[in-house]
This record gives sequence, structure tokens and C-alpha cells, in this order.
Amino acid sequence: DLQMTQSPSSLSASVGDRVTITCRASQGISSYLAWYQQKPGKVPKLLIYAASTLQSGVPSRFSGSGSGTDFTLTISSLQPEDVATYYCQKYNGAPITFGQGTRLEIK
Amino acid sequence: QVQLVQSGAEVEKPGAPVKVSCKASGYTFTSYAMHWVRQAPGQRLEWMGWVNAGGDDTKYSQKFQDRVTITRDTSATTVYLELRSLRSEDTAVYYCVRDIQGGAFDLWGQGTMVTVSS
Repeated sequence: DLQMTQSPSSLSASVGDRVTITCRASQGISSYLAWYQQKPGKVPKLLIYAASTLQSGVPSRFSGSGSGTDFTLTISSLQPEDVATYYCQKYNGAPITFGQGTRLEIK
Repeated sequence: QVQLVQSGAEVEKPGAPVKVSCKASGYTFTSYAMHWVRQAPGQRLEWMGWVNAGGDDTKYSQKFQDRVTITRDTSATTVYLELRSLRSEDTAVYYCVRDIQGGAFDLWGQGTMVTVSS
């Protein structure tokens, strides 16, 4: 099966920093890539789909880019409420698979 | 209010089946495919399977192919997950999710904790 690998696995940054999380697919997936945010003890929330389309209601400091095998999620100015684990997900057919997650903390 | 409301926590013995329900409200139920995703403690999200908007087609992860059935009842606007022959490794939170764009999940149920223990 196609594998999704995120880096880094964990990350600590300061409020106001620009943060980038990377997701790599083991095979090309075009733009069938989504990003989710999961705060501790909460349900995952869709941030980005189709690699770069911002889901309605998501703050504009979140952005996504990439296609094929390499993708990034960028937070332009980190806020305290962004503390969470972030997952990428590929959905170009079954099986749908998720990355292992990136845990983001405030320094 | 657009929402998915799942049934409550379950505790089952190894080898038993479990059935989790997910009631949709606030939107046109028959316009969206639905999936089930699970998350074991401290683990990544794991896709289990999918039922199409019409309820006449399903697809399952090979990992669960022999043990899982996903169905939907249009009149009740409810989706169901049945997982059989439970093992301790099936202890997880199970989520129903709504599909937009062929696999991105924009709406999540609150999750149902299933604990498998003798």
C-alpha cells in the first residue's frame, strides 16, 4: 500500500513563527491530499483539501501546497490555539491512508 | 444543525461483534458518501471503509475486509459499522465521517470508544 510519511514527528515553535510540516507519499497522488488538525482529546478537523484548498471557516494563516509526492502545510504566524497534532491524508482511491502525525507545541 | 451523532461507548469481550451507529442531521443525507475511521490510543487515524451515497456500494480496507460491514438506512439517516471477531487491538475510538470530494472528511461524529477486554 501507498505510505504517507510526515516530518517532523514533533515540533516546538514560538508564537508568531512560520511553521512548515511536510508530507511525502510513496507514490504520486496528484492533488488528492488533505490536512487535519486534532487538538488534545478532540475530534479531527479538516483544514485543507485538494492539497491547497482552504476549508470554509479555517483561518487564512493555514495554507497547503504541493502535488505528486511532496506536500506542505504552512502556518504563517503560529498562535497558541494551534497546539495540536496535524495529519496528512491521501484519498486518490482505496485504501485511504493517513500520515503518522506531527505534534506541534508552543516553545 | 449539521451534525453526526454516534452511539455510546461499548465494552466487548474478545470474539464478540460490535455495532456502532451514526445519525446524520441538518443536511441531505443521500448526497454524501460516508466512511468509518478509527484511532487506537496514541496512534494515527486508520481508515476502515466506505459506503456510497446511495447505499448500494461499499469498499473496505483489506485489513478489515473479512470482519467489517458498513451499511446505511436512508429513512433513519443513519450509518452503521459492524466489526466482528473483536480482538484487544480493536480497542479504539471509532468515528463516522462525511465525504466531500471523494475522500476528504469535512464532518466528524463525536467518536465512539470501543474497548475489547476479557
